[in-house]
Amino acid sequence: DMQMTQSPSTLSASVGDRVTITCRASQSINTWLAWYQQKPGKAPKLLIYKASTLESGVPERFSGSGSGTEFTLTISSLQPDDFATYYCQEYSRYSRTFGQGTKVDIK
Amino acid sequence: QVELLESGGGVVQPGTSLRLSCVASGFIFSDYGMHWVRQAPGKGLEWVAVIWYDGSNKYYGDSVKGRFTISRDNSENTLYLQMNSLSAEDTALYYCARAGVYSSGPANSWGPGTLVTVSS
Repeated sequence: DMQMTQSPSTLSASVGDRVTITCRASQSINTWLAWYQQKPGKAPKLLIYKASTLESGVPERFSGSGSGTEFTLTISSLQPDDFATYYCQEYSRYSRTFGQGTKVDIK
Repeated sequence: QVELLESGGGVVQPGTSLRLSCVASGFIFSDYGMHWVRQAPGKGLEWVAVIWYDGSNKYYGDSVKGRFTISRDNSENTLYLQMNSLSAEDTALYYCARAGVYSSGPANSWGPGTLVTVSS
């Protein structure tokens, strides 16, 4: 079974910081990876797909990289609107497993 | 604009069944794969199931395999989730979400969710 592991689970940061979240897959998934942002009480929002392709309308301060089993989501300069929980999701074969989430909160 | 609206949630007893619906509008429903994703209170996202745009393929998460069935009626622009043998672990907000055109990949549109509570 596919497992997706995100780190860290919680990240405290300040406005303007560069933030990096890591997602590791238990098996190679090529670049079949997406990143989502979720705010409290809201549905998730797709940020990035195919590991590094920015969804339309998503600010360019968000970027994704990686392939195989290790991936990163980077926010180049954290903005007040970015405090949220972030999830990775693989879509490589017969499952669409999410990571456990990374909460980005205010330092 | 794309709209997804789930319904059918409620409070049910353990061991019983429930069927969720999701009505879609604002896009050609029959061209898109569709997902169900759930989120237990205070917990992370859990993928439940996906169905191809034409219903030809369906995949399920391990925790619901054999108990839940995803289906769709393209003539009615409606997605379904039949849930059987419910337990307390199935208590969650259930989201309907749209994948890409002729895709079963990431979900770029989501409904507001419908809450299922399994309790005696």
